[in-house]
Amino acid sequence: ETGVTQTPRHLVMGMTNKKSLKCEQHLGHNAMYWYKQSAKKPLELMFVYNFKEQTENNSVPSRFSPECPNSSHLFLHLHTLQPEDSALYLCASSRKLAGEDTQYFGPGTRLTVL
Amino acid sequence: GESVGLHLPTLSVQEGDNSIINCAYSNSASDYFIWYKQESGKGPQFIIDIRSNMDKRQGQRVTVLLNKTVKHLSLQIAATQPGDSAVYFCAENIRTDSGYALNFGKGTSLLVTP
Repeated sequence: ETGVTQTPRHLVMGMTNKKSLKCEQHLGHNAMYWYKQSAKKPLELMFVYNFKEQTENNSVPSRFSPECPNSSHLFLHLHTLQPEDSALYLCASSRKLAGEDTQYFGPGTRLTVL
Repeated sequence: GESVGLHLPTLSVQEGDNSIINCAYSNSASDYFIWYKQESGKGPQFIIDIRSNMDKRQGQRVTVLLNKTVKHLSLQIAATQPGDSAVYFCAENIRTDSGYALNFGKGTSLLVTP
């Protein structure tokens, strides 16, 4: 295990639902990330948090709303999603937000939007 | 923008043979590179990294080679085992407006046959 946990592991939701994804890291890291992994596409960076402050929003639609209450926890709130948002959502953390720091990933949440 | 790409989408090798997975990058300013392994149903797992001031780095059964002249990165796996079957991603560290981010390639699927 990498020390990064994500819940739920699988989620099916309708387009009018509101749900949240949770990520927790037990590594004492200060930077946390949300990525989207779709079939046949490279991992897409969505959001970056450093010491609880959002430092990157990679042109993500407002139906995805991140929250970082502390350096160990990261949430992704979902509302009025579209079927094309179905993907694997990965959380990662790193010791610091710097040029040469490895990111460690959680197992991901497999999201299906009906 | 500049991106990281992989030469081959799939690679099939026999158990016991050596595997070589290649990656081309185009951002000459990239100074840190990582290889990840992703098994089915799991998040990407860190394998090995290399900084731009190195040409080669060895781990346990894995070697990463960096050729900055032609902007090429490779991952060599010695004595490939069935447990090595997975998708392998290279990632380069790139500068963003707010710091750094990892830019991932599409991935190469490695299949180890008995």
